[in-house]
Amino acid sequence: QKEVEQDPGPLSVPEGAIVSLNCTYSNSAFQYFMWYRQYSRKGPELLMYTYSSGNKEDGRFTAQVDKSSKYISLFIRDSQPSDSATYLCAMKGNQGGKLIFGQGTELSVKP
Amino acid sequence: GAVVSQHPSRVICKSGTSVKIECRSLDFQATTMFWYRQFPKQSLMLMATSNEGSKATYEQGVEKDKFLINHASLTLSTLTVTSAHPEDSSFYICSVNGQGRTEAFFGQGTRLTVV
Repeated sequence: QKEVEQDPGPLSVPEGAIVSLNCTYSNSAFQYFMWYRQYSRKGPELLMYTYSSGNKEDGRFTAQVDKSSKYISLFIRDSQPSDSATYLCAMKGNQGGKLIFGQGTELSVKP
Repeated sequence: GAVVSQHPSRVICKSGTSVKIECRSLDFQATTMFWYRQFPKQSLMLMATSNEGSKATYEQGVEKDKFLINHASLTLSTLTVTSAHPEDSSFYICSVNGQGRTEAFFGQGTRLTVV
């Protein structure tokens, strides 16, 4: 079993839809959770960072962490074609530790 | 936010030659940098942790003699792919942890093609 599981998709939604992206994990020591967006042939771009459980909102993006269920989510409201990319969840147990990535979900937002 | 600069963005080389990829932390000093490899439609695979002033720490299965890492200063780490073969063709990405922060920031990536 992988430490971090993420549905690779692809996920296709119409413009304006609410997108829900999710990851599950098995290591209860994970405390730091991140979501990255990666466009084709580019490095990942940090979208959201959350420490421990809770919600965090930034514009159209909301990140949720439920440590009791070992489940994290990223919601994108009013999705745009420019949101079409691969979204990677990542997490680690301590500040200096290694980041463990999910496989990434390929998202396509159709005009 | 932190800025990480990686060069070159794309390189094509002949089998048997060596290629050097640079990763620079532009906004702050980085005692630790990370090198990843990514195959098409797959996630990032950590290759090694680059430590300033000391030897890099390689992940299991990564050949340290093939992927040479040098972290000679607090803002620069280099990855050299030695005696490159076509199977080394991949997307290589470096990352830096923000100074005093937990989030990792990534370079633009280097697409290596070995012919």
